[in-house]
Amino acid sequence: DTAVSQTPKYLVTQMGNDKSIKCEQNLGHDTMYWYKQDSKKFLKIMFSYNNKELIINETVPNRFSPKSPDKAHLNLHINSLELGDSAVYFCASSQALADTQYFGPGTRLTVL
Amino acid sequence: AQSVTQPDIHITVSEGASLELRCNYSYGATPYLFWYVQSPGQGLQLLLKYFSGDTLVQGIKGFEAEFKRSQSSFNLRKPSVHWSDAAEYFCAVVPRGSNDYKLSFGAGTTVTVRA
Repeated sequence: DTAVSQTPKYLVTQMGNDKSIKCEQNLGHDTMYWYKQDSKKFLKIMFSYNNKELIINETVPNRFSPKSPDKAHLNLHINSLELGDSAVYFCASSQALADTQYFGPGTRLTVL
Repeated sequence: AQSVTQPDIHITVSEGASLELRCNYSYGATPYLFWYVQSPGQGLQLLLKYFSGDTLVQGIKGFEAEFKRSQSSFNLRKPSVHWSDAAEYFCAVVPRGSNDYKLSFGAGTTVTVRA
């Protein structure tokens, strides 16, 4: 069974569209994260939720809105997509803050 | 400023040779330390971590890392590299005593294995 899963794996869309990426973890963890990996493979945290409460919100445009319907899910919705949003987005989870984080396989977003 | 640095952008090593990847950090207190590996087109997999205790840490896939407080380093090593070790390697830290425990990554080191 996949511990942290993301859908879709690939997402190609036009500028200006709105899209969502879903993340689910079956590890029973309390904390979930979203990371962005740019074209130079640099990884940066975007958001963190602990028990459905927003803990970390980096300087991310408000076009990005995470939603955590329950502890096992953390979805990422992006409005008005821009070319610069093209990247690989990784979801991760951990038992608690500061614990080991387990990553999903990533979603490659391409904005045309 | 707090930072984690991987000085080597790209390392090429022959199969069967040893590998060492460098990681240095700049934090007031020793952070929690991690090494992750990202195979092509894959997500990140944890190789090992250091929270406290023995400064030589054993991980998966035959990797080990040594924490050296005096050098603010946490270098990753493998005695004999296999072709499947070709990947991107990331050092990462979580600062102790922070409120949000953000995982901050180094820029990564690309490892190429030649036959």
